[in-house]
This record gives sequence, structure tokens and C-alpha cells, in this order.
Amino acid sequence: GENVEQHPSTLSVQEGDSAVIKCTYSDSASNYFPWYKQELGKRPQLIIDIRSNVGEKKDQRIAVTLNKTAKHFSLHITETQPEDSAVYFCAEPSNFGNEKLTFGTGTRLTIIP
Amino acid sequence: GAGVSQSPSNKVTEKGKDVELRCDPISGHTALYWYRQRLGQGLEFLIYFQGNSAPDKSGLPSDRFSAERTGESVSTLTIQRTQQEDSAVYLCASSFRGGPNEQFFGPGTRLTVL
Repeated sequence: GENVEQHPSTLSVQEGDSAVIKCTYSDSASNYFPWYKQELGKRPQLIIDIRSNVGEKKDQRIAVTLNKTAKHFSLHITETQPEDSAVYFCAEPSNFGNEKLTFGTGTRLTIIP
Repeated sequence: GAGVSQSPSNKVTEKGKDVELRCDPISGHTALYWYRQRLGQGLEFLIYFQGNSAPDKSGLPSDRFSAERTGESVSTLTIQRTQQEDSAVYLCASSFRGGPNEQFFGPGTRLTVL
């Protein structure tokens, strides 16, 4: 897909609360949905990904859920901590070829101590 | 093992000059990508290499931008006659072939055009 919508663009959450970021994709054939975290001044790094044969994947405080019918996937961060403050990007494979990813516009998450 | 490396880390140039940015991908990664990230903005796709061929150049903003890759190794992004709007961080990433996989990003080159 060449069109990934990501919301919200900014999010402020009290430390300890949960944060949810959502992305909507366009290509129903997409089969891979990663989330990248970019801390200030750093490079983006993969934090979690999901393939279309599962509906949810968890890794400690982070989880990703996938709704193939509605064509959206979400990042859930529980028990947020100050180090979770960063910009988060979702992505989906381009319809050009599976190897290229189209990234969302990013969500700036701020954890309020 | 070594990650993706990029050089230089910072480049300041005068408007109208040419610049060359280098990316060394992780050994064995056949796919290589270039992105541009303006301050506070998202990842703007520029070009994608599979081996030394570029199946997708759709993101190159103008004919002043070009890129090459030697085999499955180093890539260079060249910007000719730089303009102030070219100022940004240029990120390179690489990944294994064989379907969508994790992209490993380099630290980026911060380009400032005066």
C-alpha cells in the first residue's frame, strides 16, 4: 500500500498510564506491519512487528493488534515510563514490492512524569 | 556484528555545491533504502536498491538527486547543485531479502546547506 494514515500526531500521557497509536492501511493484501521508535536525535529502530496470520502480539509492555477487516493496526504501550517518550512510526509493505515499506507520518509521544 | 554506517555524520555545504553521502549496509543485506527526514518530520522515501539495481526511484525529488550501489555493498547518494531546501537528515537502511523484513537504520547524515 502507498497510503498509511497514522493518528494521533501527538499524544501526551501521564506516566504509568497506557498509550494507543493507530494506523489505517489501504492494501488488503498487506501482510506485515511493523512499528518503529525514534528517540530524539537517534535513528529509528524496530520495536515490534506483526504478520497478518495473527491478530495480536505482545512483548512485555508493548503490544500490537491487527484488524484485517477494518484494515487497521494499533500499538499499545502499558505502564508508560519516561523513556517511552519518542516518535513512533507505523509502516506497511508498498504495493510495489514487499521489501519496500511505506511509513506513517509519525506520532510524537510525551510521557508526563 | 557491525550495524549500518553512514558518512559523513555531518555535512555543511554552500548552496550550489555538490555533495556525496555514503552508506555501508549490514553485510549480507541485499536491500538498501535511502530516506530523507526534515526537522520534526517523517521518513520521506527516496530510493530502494535490490542488489545494485534500483527497482524504485520514485521518491527522488528532482534530477539533482542520484544514487548508486556497488554490488550488495556500499551506496552513495549524490545531490548536485544543492539548495537550502535539501537541508535534512539523510537516513540509510538495509534489510534481508525475501519479503518484508526489519529495516536496520544507520545514524544518518545531517546535511546543512547555507
